[in-house]
Amino acid sequence: AQTVTQSQPEMSVQEAETVTLSCTYDTSESDYYLFWYKQPPSRQMILVIRQEAYKQQNATENRFSVNFQKAAKSFSLKISDSQLGDAAMYFCAYRSDYGGSQGNLIFGKGTKLSVKP
Amino acid sequence: GAVVSQHPSWVICKSGTSVKIECRSLDFQATTMFWYRQFPKQSLMLMATSNEGSKATYEQGVEKDKFLINHASLTLSTLTVTSAHPEDSSFYICSARTQLRTDTQYFGPGTRLTVL
Repeated sequence: AQTVTQSQPEMSVQEAETVTLSCTYDTSESDYYLFWYKQPPSRQMILVIRQEAYKQQNATENRFSVNFQKAAKSFSLKISDSQLGDAAMYFCAYRSDYGGSQGNLIFGKGTKLSVKP
Repeated sequence: GAVVSQHPSWVICKSGTSVKIECRSLDFQATTMFWYRQFPKQSLMLMATSNEGSKATYEQGVEKDKFLINHASLTLSTLTVTSAHPEDSSFYICSARTQLRTDTQYFGPGTRLTVL
């Protein structure tokens, strides 16, 4: 079974600075997707960024980028120029691309990010 | 972007009663919907997967007779918590997946259930 591990329960960053959130996963599959979701106090899950495992190029979405290391099974999220609105819980998630998969997400335990003004 | 709604956003009920939570995809057809449960300060745990027109698939440890899931149309799935007890109090979140963008799930805003 696949597992997702986020080893940092809490992180803090100064406004305008850069922070990196860690995520590792375990799988025997070769094709899958990885995601970072943001959950603000409203509890609404918001997709931050998505990475297809077959793509070597790291995904980027504005201030958010990932460092995807497939061999190491690592998928870290870098937030540049941190803003107060980035404060939230961040969840790393895995989705199998196996044909028989239902497509559900497997989540890590989350990292609570605080942004200091 | 795709929008998923949940109703109600919060509900308080007495122990022993049943509560129904609706999950709707507003601007797309959801072939698959997922129901997650989230305890305070914890991650999302998958409860079940529902495909339109077929029986839901429950995760190990989830009582299917207690958490009834119906996915009667491509835009609506319901979760009914039967004979609710205080330990069922939690935050329930649904998500929906389309055929067009099968690698992306769209989440509802969640429903907070409190059982007294």
